[in-house]
Amino acid sequence: RKEVEQDPGPFNVPEGATVAFNCTYSNSASQSFFWYRQDCRKEPKLLMSVYSSGNEDGRFTAQLNRASQYISLLIRDSKLSDSATYLCVVILYNTDKLIFGTGTRLQVFP
Amino acid sequence: GAVVSQHPSRVICKSGTSVKIECRSLDFQATTMFWYRQFPKQSLMLMATSNEGSKATYEQGVEKDKFLINHASLTLSTLTVTSAHPEDSSFYICSATLAGGAMYQETQYFGPGTRLLVL
Repeated sequence: RKEVEQDPGPFNVPEGATVAFNCTYSNSASQSFFWYRQDCRKEPKLLMSVYSSGNEDGRFTAQLNRASQYISLLIRDSKLSDSATYLCVVILYNTDKLIFGTGTRLQVFP
Repeated sequence: GAVVSQHPSRVICKSGTSVKIECRSLDFQATTMFWYRQFPKQSLMLMATSNEGSKATYEQGVEKDKFLINHASLTLSTLTVTSAHPEDSSFYICSATLAGGAMYQETQYFGPGTRLLVL
């Protein structure tokens, strides 16, 4: 079983739509959680951290459910520029290693 | 903000040759640099953790004699793919952690990646 699992998609949504991605992690020692965005043939870039209390950054909302070991990302009012692959990332307790999911591809169309 | 560069951005080489990839932190000192590899439609996989002045720590399944890592200064780490073969063709990405920073992801900055194609 992969340590971090994501639905690869693609999710094809029209502009203005709301879309949600989920991610599950297998190691209960996972301590820190993040969503990254990766554009085609580019390096990943941090989108936002994920906290147990949930956090919001503009159109993006991230939530963490430790009991069920899943993380979610909600994107409201999708823009064409949101088209990318969204990577779920965890860090295990007492390490500095990032463990990446395979990513969920989002395509926003006009 | 902290900037990490990689060179070259793209390289094509013949099978059996060695390829060196440089990772530089341009405006900060990095005690730790990480090397990742990403195959098409797959996740980034950590290959090794490189600490300045010491030997790199390799992840399980990564051959240290094939992927030579040198972290000679606080701003430069190199990855050499020795005797490259077509199956080594991949996207290699480095990241760097700020010296003195806590071990949190927020202080890990990614380079733009190097695309290697071995013919």
